[in-house]
Amino acid sequence: NAGVTQTPKFRILKIGQSMTLQCTQDMNHNYMYWYRQDPGMGLKLIYYSVGAGITDKGEVPNGYNVSRSTTEDFPLRLELAAPSQTSVYFCASRVAGGAADTQYFGPGTRLTVL
Amino acid sequence: KQEVTQIPAALSVPEGENLVLNCSFTDSAIYNLQWFRQDPGKGLTSLLLIQSSQREQTSGRLNASLDKSSGRSTLYIAASQPGDSATYLCAVTWMDSSYKLIFGSGTRLLVRP
Repeated sequence: NAGVTQTPKFRILKIGQSMTLQCTQDMNHNYMYWYRQDPGMGLKLIYYSVGAGITDKGEVPNGYNVSRSTTEDFPLRLELAAPSQTSVYFCASRVAGGAADTQYFGPGTRLTVL
Repeated sequence: KQEVTQIPAALSVPEGENLVLNCSFTDSAIYNLQWFRQDPGKGLTSLLLIQSSQREQTSGRLNASLDKSSGRSTLYIAASQPGDSATYLCAVTWMDSSYKLIFGSGTRLLVRP
């Protein structure tokens, strides 16, 4: 059981380039999330999904896109990268409801846009 | 606006001390509140989850309390150890948006040997 895996671990992009951050979970969780964490700050929700084929915007969706074609995978797409997107990106999956309600986080992708 | 605040931003204590981390939130209509630990360069690990109907949860040396009426939660760490050094984040799920967590900015804890 690998949990939540993210690739790549690190990436440097030039302004205007595009890339996809990969996220995979093997726990059969319906809920999946993408967050960004800026230095010294908490996590801000970019996009989330409540199941395959269903996605919705979080607090800071501008400049990003997502898709959820399978339960396992939830990739995050950056189009036309900007310096403001320099951050650490975390993917999470969730067991929703009741006493076991918790999110499981991946190790993160550190992205720098120059 | 639904917000989560954590004070102080950083805390340094000698080993063995008992300590309290604070979390405050606007809007008492919460679904649950969670405390997470984040080690440098790592993802988050869930420590404790308190349901809206509960007042506290305990796990080992950790005890988290919840007071909805005052909009506060505390994380109590007993007999602190250097291995407890990490950033501790509080996150709230509200009833009207139970799909998402709103995070505080965290308290960075250093336990000195």
